[in-house]
Amino acid sequence: EAQVTQNPRYLITVTGKKLTVTCSQNMNHEYMSWYRQDPGLGLRQIYYSMNVEVTDKGDVPEGYKVSRKEKRNFPLILESPSPNQTSLYFCASSPGFSYEQYFGPGTRLTVT
Amino acid sequence: GEDVEQSLFLSVREGDSSVINCTYTDSSSTYLYWYKQEPGAGLQLLTYIFSNMDMKQDQRLTVLLNKKDKHLSLRIADTQTGDSAIYFCAEKGNSGYALNFGKGTSLLVTP
Repeated sequence: EAQVTQNPRYLITVTGKKLTVTCSQNMNHEYMSWYRQDPGLGLRQIYYSMNVEVTDKGDVPEGYKVSRKEKRNFPLILESPSPNQTSLYFCASSPGFSYEQYFGPGTRLTVT
Repeated sequence: GEDVEQSLFLSVREGDSSVINCTYTDSSSTYLYWYKQEPGAGLQLLTYIFSNMDMKQDQRLTVLLNKKDKHLSLRIADTQTGDSAIYFCAEKGNSGYALNFGKGTSLLVTP
């Protein structure tokens, strides 16, 4: 089944403890992206990647890192999480420019 | 990114039509999308329209695009309780990969 998977789905952590949210797609898509969704703010793009080893900042990249060493994986790294990074995170992938984006199920992160 | 605006809430009765409106500011938008998010789930693409079209119909869904006014609407005919969800309007400009999303419209369908 074609899908985008994220792990974990739920995470509660403390300020400053490094964490990684994994994202994997099995559709051989070139484009992958991370969004965060906050009440009243909609979805905002954090980082995106147009191919292996090619990443770029979205609208709200501060406090996040990403890597794209393999086509299928696009992990989101929070080196030192802070409470303002408490949010619902979505990974998405797409076969190319202007194509439909397929979204993962979301990761709900709480930073205390 | 450019602004995409939607009303936040809409309530309709089952069987009525729903119309969700969206405005955007980027005149170079090439594709406009409607995504649906059900509670606890990710976003699912409902439909999209190219900027050189003014209408697209897909079963119960009708998308209208007024490019001059930068206004997009989604009409759901014969709305059902299963249509209750958050609906996001999104646009993609002429360059880059990013989608600009609106804040989402929560549609509540009452029996």
